[in-house]
Amino acid sequence: NAGVTQTPKFQVLKTGQSMTLQCAQDMNHNSMYWYRQDPGMGLRLIYYSASEGTTDKGEVPNGYNVSRLNKREFSLRLESAAPSQTSVYFCASSEAVLFYEPQHFGDGTRLSIL
Amino acid sequence: DQQVKQNSPSLSVQEGRISILNCDYTNSMFDYFLWYKKYPAEGPTFLISISSIKDKNEDGRFTVFLNKSAKHLSLHIVPSQPGDSAVYFCAASGSGGGADGLTFGKGTHLIIQP
Repeated sequence: NAGVTQTPKFQVLKTGQSMTLQCAQDMNHNSMYWYRQDPGMGLRLIYYSASEGTTDKGEVPNGYNVSRLNKREFSLRLESAAPSQTSVYFCASSEAVLFYEPQHFGDGTRLSIL
Repeated sequence: DQQVKQNSPSLSVQEGRISILNCDYTNSMFDYFLWYKKYPAEGPTFLISISSIKDKNEDGRFTVFLNKSAKHLSLHIVPSQPGDSAVYFCAASGSGGGADGLTFGKGTHLIIQP
């Protein structure tokens, strides 16, 4: 049982390059999320999708775009990567957008921007 | 402005003893609290949660206590086992959901000594 799958696991980009992080879940969850975790910090919400066809900004959306491709897939795009976006990115899903619903996380994408 | 604080970056406990991880919050609108556990190179996994209408929730070796007047919660692990060595994140949310989402603390690295 895969749960939440993120690709790629590692990526190095140059400043100004673009990149799409992929996320897919097989739990038939309605809601999906993208977080970033910087060293020594907690996770911060970038964007979330309450249900297929909807997306909303989280705490730190600047410099990112998202697409809820279908119920299973939620992608995160960096249009013009900046060194400040060096981070570990986690995708998560839950049955509903109610934030007391436990979220299930992928193993993360480690992204370095040079 | 950190709304969820885990003031101990690390904690070392002997195997078999009790581990107590602490979390303080400042936002009185938070009414649901969750603990996540994270191993290196993996995503966080949900451990236990508590609603503000309760002061205690127990699940096997894990118990979470909530003191609303002090805006403080703690996670007790009894007895501690080597597999408990991980980073533990405290997270809080309001019942309305939305862009506020989950607010995470910076985490406490628990090390169980044999």
